[in-house]
Amino acid sequence: QKEVEQDPGPLSVPEGAIVSLNCTYSNSAFQYFMWYRQYSRKGPELLMYTYSSGNKEDGRFTAQVDKSSKYISLFIRDSQPSDSATYLCAMRRLQGAQKLVFGQGTRLTINP
Amino acid sequence: EAQVTQNPRYLITVTGKKLTVTCSQNMNHEYMSWYRQDPGLGLRQIYYSMNVEVTDKGDVPEGYKVSRKEKRNFPLILESPSPNQTSLYFCASSQPGLAGRTDTQYFGPGTRLTVL
Repeated sequence: QKEVEQDPGPLSVPEGAIVSLNCTYSNSAFQYFMWYRQYSRKGPELLMYTYSSGNKEDGRFTAQVDKSSKYISLFIRDSQPSDSATYLCAMRRLQGAQKLVFGQGTRLTINP
Repeated sequence: EAQVTQNPRYLITVTGKKLTVTCSQNMNHEYMSWYRQDPGLGLRQIYYSMNVEVTDKGDVPEGYKVSRKEKRNFPLILESPSPNQTSLYFCASSQPGLAGRTDTQYFGPGTRLTVL
């Protein structure tokens, strides 16, 4: 069983829809949770991070962490065609610890 | 411009021919990592370095070597490449974050390697 599971999609939604992306994990020691966005032929870039459980909002993006269920989510409101990319969840155990574990990534397409 | 650069961007080689992929960052970051990205498997960490002369294995280190002689450079060496090392490789750098904040990893543009 992988430490981090993410539905690879692909996921295709119309412009303006609310998108929900999710990851589950098995290692209860994970403390830091991140979402990276990767455009085609580019390296990933950090989109959101959350420490421990809770919600974090940044514009149209909301990250949620439920440590009791070992489940994290990224919500995108009012989705735009420019949001079309692969979204990867990532997590690690300790601040500064460099063993970062990624999910498989979900390919998202927003249709105009 | 703050960036991580990798060279070459594309490489086709043959089994057993030693190669090096270079990585350089201009942000004075302490931490650097190498990842490979494969369909269905996502990004997997190969090696990481927390400072000059300090390196450690990630999840898939077999068949790879690294060195960190200077803070800005972190080359990935394949001594005897094999076809199962055909992949998309990313270098990343980061700086230890303040308490309660994670250290953002900045990724390079990637190197697509094909081993025949």
